[in-house]
Amino acid sequence: DGGITQSPKYLFRKEGQNVTLSCEQNLNHDAMYWYRQDPGQGLRLIYYSQIVNDFQKGDIAEGYSVSREKKESFPLTVTSAQKNPTAFYLCASSIDVYGELFFGEGSRLTVL
Amino acid sequence: DAKTTQPPSMDCAEGRAANLPCNHSTISGNEYVYWYRQIHSQGPQYIIHGLKNNETNEMASLIITEDRKSSTLILPHATLRDTAVYYCIVRVPYSNSGYALNFGKGTSLLVTP
Repeated sequence: DGGITQSPKYLFRKEGQNVTLSCEQNLNHDAMYWYRQDPGQGLRLIYYSQIVNDFQKGDIAEGYSVSREKKESFPLTVTSAQKNPTAFYLCASSIDVYGELFFGEGSRLTVL
Repeated sequence: DAKTTQPPSMDCAEGRAANLPCNHSTISGNEYVYWYRQIHSQGPQYIIHGLKNNETNEMASLIITEDRKSSTLILPHATLRDTAVYYCIVRVPYSNSGYALNFGKGTSLLVTP
């Protein structure tokens, strides 16, 4: 079945460690996105990519990094520079930047 | 910053129509209005979008005012499974070369038996 797969679903890490969240899609979509959600809050855009080998910063890119080496994959690294990394992370894709977004099930990161 | 304003919460009785308002007074002429919803701890789900005409699909109807400064999402016969946070979004340019959707806090809709 076509869709977006995020892994892991739950992740625990110690403070100061870098963490990479995986996002894979088999929808043949050009655009991919990473959002962060904190309890009781809306989604905030971290990074987005319109096409392979290109990505743009969103509202809260500091402390995060991404790569887009393949069309299907858009991994997010939460670095030790991110001051408050505990959150729910959502990956999405769309056929292009104007199309509807399809979201994965999310990854919940807890930093101890 | 989000370009839309929604009430933080609403209630609706099961079987009745749920009308969710959204203000987007600074919307540009070529910006679409999108609606998504998010059931607790899941990824948001696309509902509908429109530019200036009213739109309807199997999930909902979207009514956009003539001046495009506000819109209403209508769930004609709300069920308990429609309990979710509903986001009204207009497309926001983040750079000269791209756009992304800016989600605010949305409206938390509670459908009661």
